[in-house]
Amino acid sequence: AQSVTQPDIHITVSEGASLELRCNYSYGATPYLFWYVQSPGQGLQLLLKYFSGDTLVQGIKGFEAEFKRSQSSFNLRKPSVHWSDAAEYFCAVEPGGYQKVTFGTGTKLQVIP
Amino acid sequence: SQTIHQWPATLVQPVGSPLSLECTVEGTSNPNLYWYRQAAGRGLQLLFYSVGIGQISSEVPQNLSASRPQDRQFILSSKKLLLSDSGFYLCAWSSPSGGNTIYFGEGSWLTVV
Repeated sequence: AQSVTQPDIHITVSEGASLELRCNYSYGATPYLFWYVQSPGQGLQLLLKYFSGDTLVQGIKGFEAEFKRSQSSFNLRKPSVHWSDAAEYFCAVEPGGYQKVTFGTGTKLQVIP
Repeated sequence: SQTIHQWPATLVQPVGSPLSLECTVEGTSNPNLYWYRQAAGRGLQLLFYSVGIGQISSEVPQNLSASRPQDRQFILSSKKLLLSDSGFYLCAWSSPSGGNTIYFGEGSWLTVV
């Protein structure tokens, strides 16, 4: 069965520092990959997605993610974190053809001054 | 553009009482519709999904049910709530014509007391 792993439950970074959130998946083929962000008490907002093509994907709010097939990873990055980026981030995987998305357990990002 | 709304945003209900959470999507036809539940540290759990009116698939056995009386309306119900039904419930939609991207509503906090 497909699975998504976000190994970091909680990450703290200083404002202005770079950020990388990890996501690994287990699935034979190349799935569709997503990153969502959730502010407390709100729904999830799509940051970016990868379907095919260029393995470096640009998203909203200055985020990007890189698909690495050899590592089955889709890590989210941001070169300089802002205090408003504090939220929970979810990686998601869909195997393609049937829209049944599996979500990771999320990574909570804390940003300190 | 497409929008999704769910209500109520917060709900406090006694054990044994009924539940009805409603979700509507605008700006698209025949969307795929989903109900997720979110628990701390457990990511998002898919409860129900629907590919058309009256077509409901349940992912997990539970005290809840879902209905789709109209094309863009999705309702989550329970006849008798349990304490364990407390949580954050998210409605979502995706396009039936491809794209595989799921878009979420604002969420509903349910507290069963």
